Amino acid sequence: KQEVTQIPAALSVPEGENLVLNCSFTDSAIYNLQWFRQDPGKGLTSLLLIQSSQREQTSGRLNASLDKSSGRSTLYIAASQPGDSATYLCAVPNYGQNFVFGPGTRLSVLP
Amino acid sequence: ETGVTQSPTHLIKTRGQQVTLRCSSQSGHNTVSWYQQALGQGPQFIFQYYREEENGRGNFPPRFSGLQFPNYSSELNVNALELDDSALYLCASSSRDGIGEQYFGPGTRLTVT
Repeated sequence: KQEVTQIPAALSVPEGENLVLNCSFTDSAIYNLQWFRQDPGKGLTSLLLIQSSQREQTSGRLNASLDKSSGRSTLYIAASQPGDSATYLCAVPNYGQNFVFGPGTRLSVLP
Repeated sequence: ETGVTQSPTHLIKTRGQQVTLRCSSQSGHNTVSWYQQALGQGPQFIFQYYREEENGRGNFPPRFSGLQFPNYSSELNVNALELDDSALYLCASSSRDGIGEQYFGPGTRLTVT
């Protein structure tokens, strides 16, 4: 059974800092890994999808890497802004039927 | 291209009642998955529909049921509501049996009193 963990659970940083969020999964036989952002009480916004054949994906100030062999992914956020404050979730497929989510990292960027 | 939509936005029900939540998938997507997200936790998989058939189910009791229609929109029905059913219910659509990129709707906040 696929299990996903994320560290840290919460993070508070001053504006402008670069930061790294971590995601670990137990079964490395995955098709892809997806990072999401969730604002309080809202749905999920897809940030990046990394296919199993890729090692990283970039979108603006976001960069996500994937190391299947070690069961890890990192989300790097450059030059953080108060608008980046949200919960960040990673998700991996569970034997092709659905995604298993981590508990999320709650990020607060202080002005 | 229209995104995933869900209705209603918020809902308050009494324990023991029944509720129906609705989801319209993104244009071109044939797979819909439903998730339950309790406060402070990641979403938990309820079930998935692919081309109108249930295509996998998470650890939820039979009182959670669903439908997918020919236009790929979907319903989630919950019978005999319990207090623990209070959560944000999320619908996601995708185009490849649920393993492609998933696009989520805004969710329905259900409160059971």
